[in-house]
Amino acid sequence: EVQLVESGGGLVQPGRSLRLSCTTSGFTFGDYAVSWVRQAPGKGLEWVGFIRRKPYGGATGYAASVKGRFTISRDESKSTAYLQMNSLKTEDTAIYYCSRDSGIYGMDVWGQGTTVTVSS
Amino acid sequence: QSVLTQPPSASATPGQRVTISCSGSSSYIGSTSVYWYQQLPGAAPKLVIYSNNQRPSGVPDRFSGSKSGTSASLAISGLRSEDEADYYCATWDDSLSGWVFGGGTKLTVL
Repeated sequence: EVQLVESGGGLVQPGRSLRLSCTTSGFTFGDYAVSWVRQAPGKGLEWVGFIRRKPYGGATGYAASVKGRFTISRDESKSTAYLQMNSLKTEDTAIYYCSRDSGIYGMDVWGQGTTVTVSS
Repeated sequence: QSVLTQPPSASATPGQRVTISCSGSSSYIGSTSVYWYQQLPGAAPKLVIYSNNQRPSGVPDRFSGSKSGTSASLAISGLRSEDEADYYCATWDDSLSGWVFGGGTKLTVL
């Protein structure tokens, strides 16, 4: 079964850092990009960023709202992607989902999400 | 403000057909593919349409997608109570090098 499981969420103070993990199973991790998408309380979906697969240099892209503060990486040996979030702001409070990004086939498998709350 | 515009809500009765629109521009939808995601209450999003009108394996054929010019639509026929959810359109933004989502449409099955 294809699965993505997010972890690492929690309560953090503004200005601090947090690292989320997206652990995958059931498919060849190296064959896919990974996207992160967030959803603030009561709001819609917002794409956060993604990381391409290694043949494409593991290139990353970010939404303007997080560029320079968030970094996405991947560890092929662990079939895991990471979202490093620095200089967190209250407006980063959201459920964070990772998804298998299949390009023209869309974000076709999603994790269950992990909640990040930024508050003093 | 999203570059993709969806109506905030839609409703229909069981068995009816409902369509949800997604309006873009020549840069969004006009020259890109559209994707649709269903988000049931309290759940993660799920892909229901990719590349404008293709259904992933396991998605009922009651769901269909179409695109014309700078607009796209998701149609659900034979509406069921379990279709009550939020629906989001999305497309790839070359200038952003990332995905953009519409604001979402809350579908109510009366």
